[in-house]
Amino acid sequence: EVQLVQSGGEVKKPGESLKISCKVSGYSFTKYWIGWVRQVPGKGLEWVGIFYPGDSDTRYNPSFEGHVTISADKSISTAYLQWRSLKASDTAMYYCARHDHDGDNFFYDYWGQGTLVTVSS
Amino acid sequence: EIVMTQSPATLSVSPGERATLSCRASQTVNSNLAWYQQKPGQVPRLLFYGASTRATGVPARFSGSGSGTEFTLTISSLQSEDIAVYYCQQYDMWPQTFGQGTKVEIK
Repeated sequence: EVQLVQSGGEVKKPGESLKISCKVSGYSFTKYWIGWVRQVPGKGLEWVGIFYPGDSDTRYNPSFEGHVTISADKSISTAYLQWRSLKASDTAMYYCARHDHDGDNFFYDYWGQGTLVTVSS
Repeated sequence: EIVMTQSPATLSVSPGERATLSCRASQTVNSNLAWYQQKPGQVPRLLFYGASTRATGVPARFSGSGSGTEFTLTISSLQSEDIAVYYCQQYDMWPQTFGQGTKVEIK
């Protein structure tokens, strides 16, 4: 059974650093891209970026590039999303999701449960 | 980046009636479009990819169509369990982008 299990919610202050995780099981971690999606409370979905554990290829949404870093540890089948300096505007639910494909079509078929990040002074 | 615009923002439909949701891309995305359903308090769920290929387990009352810049998600006979926000997403070009969502509610 494919599962993506994310780390628990976090409450941080502006300027603090944070690394949230997404541990996968039930499939070969290095064979699929992992994407990250942000959802501000009450708002829509925003694509943050995507990472391929097989060769560490990474693509970012320009709106997030330079502010977040996506990485992974293949030895423990875990992907990460991290910030060096959080802002109040980073307050949101963050989802990881497996990026599968069917021919030339790509889609997010399995999702983590979400990690709520709250940044407040 | 490609901007995805969904309409309407909110759609009120009576049970058993048809719901038609639209998604427009700022430039062609060919058929590289997916639809997701997000029920209140839940994680998004894949409905369609390739604009019209139904994902596993998606009821037949849901259909997707379109190509290029204009796409449609249709629910032929709205059920109470279809109450959700629906998002389109293009994967034709980086960065991938989502529409702002259409909220479907019962009239």
